[in-house]
Amino acid sequence: AQKITQTQPGMFVQEKEAVTLDCTYDTSDQSYGLFWYKQPSSGEMIFLIYQGSYDEQNATEGRYSLNFQKARKSANLVISASQLGDSAMYFCAMRELYTGGFKTIFGAGTRLFVKA
Amino acid sequence: DSGVTQTPKHLITATGQRVTLRCSPRSGDLSVYWYQQSLDQGLQFLIQYYNGEERAKGNILERFSAQQFPDLHSELNLSSLELGDSALYFCASSVEAGEDEQYFGPGTRLTVT
Repeated sequence: AQKITQTQPGMFVQEKEAVTLDCTYDTSDQSYGLFWYKQPSSGEMIFLIYQGSYDEQNATEGRYSLNFQKARKSANLVISASQLGDSAMYFCAMRELYTGGFKTIFGAGTRLFVKA
Repeated sequence: DSGVTQTPKHLITATGQRVTLRCSPRSGDLSVYWYQQSLDQGLQFLIQYYNGEERAKGNILERFSAQQFPDLHSELNLSSLELGDSALYFCASSVEAGEDEQYFGPGTRLTVT
């Protein structure tokens, strides 16, 4: 079963505007972590933001914020004031406890294009 | 720069061969994770080690194996390589084995011909 769903294969946004990248997840665990990573064309994976399942406030890191709606099992990434350098692939991921360790499951990703 | 190093950056080899990918975690990180990123499978978790011990196993094939050494570096061994093993292999590290942030290395791009 799909654990992490990113329904937007590609998104366009105008420079300086905000954009929301969608992510829904599926888990029966009470304790889990949600992450967003950015992968530019150079290939490296860059950590952006983390939200724990027990965190009551939405996580924010600079221009990135995570819109966490636990009941709806969604963890959307909001990028404010988009920049050309934000053009990249974005992955939503969930970490679950798995027999003594943690397993991270990634979504298929959303490719973001920022237009000048 | 995440502080995680991976060697080699690129590897081209033939089907049936065996290769070893190496990862050095960030200083102080005890946990190492291996991931495979391919066009058809996306990003897949392979295996996690914590302080030398295997902690979690994901979609790792039996032809693949890994270990973490006392100095905490890790190696991923891929044997009897097939064309479908061509992928970008990432190593990531974190301080603990739990829900803390993982820092990814630059990856090793493996091409099997």
